[in-house]
Amino acid sequence: KQEVTQIPAALSVPEGENLVLNCSFTDSAIYNLQWFRQDPGKGLTSLLLIQSSQREQTSGRLNASLDKSSGRSTLYIAASQPGDSATYLCAVTQETSGSRLTFGEGTQLTVNP
Amino acid sequence: GAGVSQSPSNKVTEKGKDVELRCDPISGHTALYWYRQSLGQGLEFLIYFQGNSAPDKSGLPSDRFSAERTGGSVSTLTIQRTQQEDSAVYLCASSVRPGLAGGPTDTQYFGPGTRLTVL
Repeated sequence: KQEVTQIPAALSVPEGENLVLNCSFTDSAIYNLQWFRQDPGKGLTSLLLIQSSQREQTSGRLNASLDKSSGRSTLYIAASQPGDSATYLCAVTQETSGSRLTFGEGTQLTVNP
Repeated sequence: GAGVSQSPSNKVTEKGKDVELRCDPISGHTALYWYRQSLGQGLEFLIYFQGNSAPDKSGLPSDRFSAERTGGSVSTLTIQRTQQEDSAVYLCASSVRPGLAGGPTDTQYFGPGTRLTVL
């Protein structure tokens, strides 16, 4: 059974810092990995999707990397802003279970002004 | 264009009652997913529909849960005889296409969720 773990569970940083969120998964037979953000009381917003054949994806200040063989992904946020405060979730789809996403527990990020 | 919409946004019900939750996917998306987010359980998959194929119901926690998708668009998740442990946020997502023969999928776009509270 696929298990997705995110470290740290919570992170508080001052505005302007660069930061890294970590995601690991136990079964490397994945199709893709997706990073989401969730604001309190809201649904999920997709940030980046990395196919298993890719090593990284970038969108603005966000960069996500994938090392499929070691079961790891990182989300790098450059020059953090208070508006980045949210819970960040990673999720994978895998070869044995089709389209369903298996989620980590999330990292709650607070960026202090 | 419009995103995934869900209704109601909040639902409070009494234990033992039936509830229906609605999801309107993004127009043109053939795949639709239901997930549940609860304290202590995180986000868990419930069911997904892919085009006209039989849905994958393997994530439904009990036979009190059922879902249907009419006309390949709107979906309804029904919970019968609700229990307090059913209290959670129910999230719907859609994507352009499902994984074909188990292959890679597109980005899943989520709705705002329905917060269900069972008293």
